[in-house]
Amino acid sequence: AQKVTQAQTEISVVEKEDVTLDCVYETRDTTYYLFWYKQPPSGELVFLIRRNSFDEQNEISGRYSWNFQKSTSSFNFTITASQVVDSAVYFCALSEAGRAGTASKLTFGTGTRLQVTL
Amino acid sequence: NAGVMQNPRHLVRRRGQEARLRCSPMKGHSHVYWYRQLPEEGLKFMVYLQKENIIDESGMPKERFSAEFPKEGPSILRIQQVVRGDSAAYFCASSPPGTVKNIQYFGAGTRLSVL
Repeated sequence: AQKVTQAQTEISVVEKEDVTLDCVYETRDTTYYLFWYKQPPSGELVFLIRRNSFDEQNEISGRYSWNFQKSTSSFNFTITASQVVDSAVYFCALSEAGRAGTASKLTFGTGTRLQVTL
Repeated sequence: NAGVMQNPRHLVRRRGQEARLRCSPMKGHSHVYWYRQLPEEGLKFMVYLQKENIIDESGMPKERFSAEFPKEGPSILRIQQVVRGDSAAYFCASSPPGTVKNIQYFGAGTRLSVL
């Protein structure tokens, strides 16, 4: 069975601080995908990134960066120079590759609530 | 290009009534998923559908819940004889066919309140 653990329930930082959100996953699959989603106070889920299990390169997108370490089954998310608009709940998720022609369900962590204050 | 559209955004039902939640996927997307989010929890998978087919319903409660994605029209999640424990946010997601089919794009959700 797949499992995603986000041990940090809530994090508070002051604007311009860097913050790292942790994600640890469990799966027996050799091919899988990892995701991060953002849920702002308005409630919708916003896709941030998908990572293939065969690609361990770290990725940077503006102030966001992701560190994928297969050896520790972790996929951590860092926000550099945080801003008030980053305040949201962030979810890490995992899916298996799925059979040809079909996709696969996402298994979500319980989320980390990030509060960025002035 | 419109995103995933869910309606209604908020739905209030009394115990024993039926709730019908609608989801129109993004244009060109042929895969639809439903998830439920209980207060202060992560999202839990319910069902995965393609047009006229249920692919995976491993997360659906055995009774009172059903889902469809007809050839024409939106996907519908139907909850019969609602109970207070059904109060939650229900999210629909869609994904395209092909190599990026695993990226699921979510709607804004329907918040169901059962009185």
